[in-house]
Amino acid sequence: DGGITQSPKYLFRKEGQNVTLSCEQNLNHDAMYWYRQDPGQGLRLIYYSQIVNDFQKGDIAEGYSVSREKKESFPLTVTSAQKNPTAFYLCASSIPSGTGTRTEAFFGQGTRLTVV
Amino acid sequence: DQQVKQNSPSLSVQEGRISILNCDYTNSMFDYFLWYKKYPAEGPTFLISISSIKDKNEDGRFTVFLNKSAKHLSLHIVPSQPGDSAVYFCAARGRGSARQLTFGSGTQLTVLP
Repeated sequence: DGGITQSPKYLFRKEGQNVTLSCEQNLNHDAMYWYRQDPGQGLRLIYYSQIVNDFQKGDIAEGYSVSREKKESFPLTVTSAQKNPTAFYLCASSIPSGTGTRTEAFFGQGTRLTVV
Repeated sequence: DQQVKQNSPSLSVQEGRISILNCDYTNSMFDYFLWYKKYPAEGPTFLISISSIKDKNEDGRFTVFLNKSAKHLSLHIVPSQPGDSAVYFCAARGRGSARQLTFGSGTQLTVLP
């Protein structure tokens, strides 16, 4: 079964601590993304990666970091510098441009992060 | 500055009737538009899309219309069913190598039995 797996589903963090959210995909997609959803708001792009060992900042990258050492994995670290980390985090992947017109992103089930 | 806007945060429709969800965009460089459906505490699932070279795309009960001159698209669901109750996000993809999606703020659709 191909898909995107995010873990854990719920995560609690103390203020001042870094925390890493996992995202793994077995769809053989090159591109991967991290979005954040807050109540009443759409999905805002944090970071994206089009290929292994390369990633770019999205609209709200401050306080976050990522790595892309393997095609299947794109972990997101929420650092203590992120002022409002409590949110619902979504990972997605897609076939990048140049490989066809159908490049919709497929999403994982999300991780709810709460700072306590 | 929101490049993709969904101005109606919520919409209620009677079962069997048509649901019309609207979306406006400001960036003329968007070349592909998508609709996603999302249930609480789950990831969005892809519903339907349309290329900027078309003005209509249909898939079963779902039809998306694109009016490029007005920078407006809409999703029609007919007939609406209670299982359609969810948050619907409009998304747009830009030209160029990145191809990341820009999302609207979503519309909560409630289909009443």
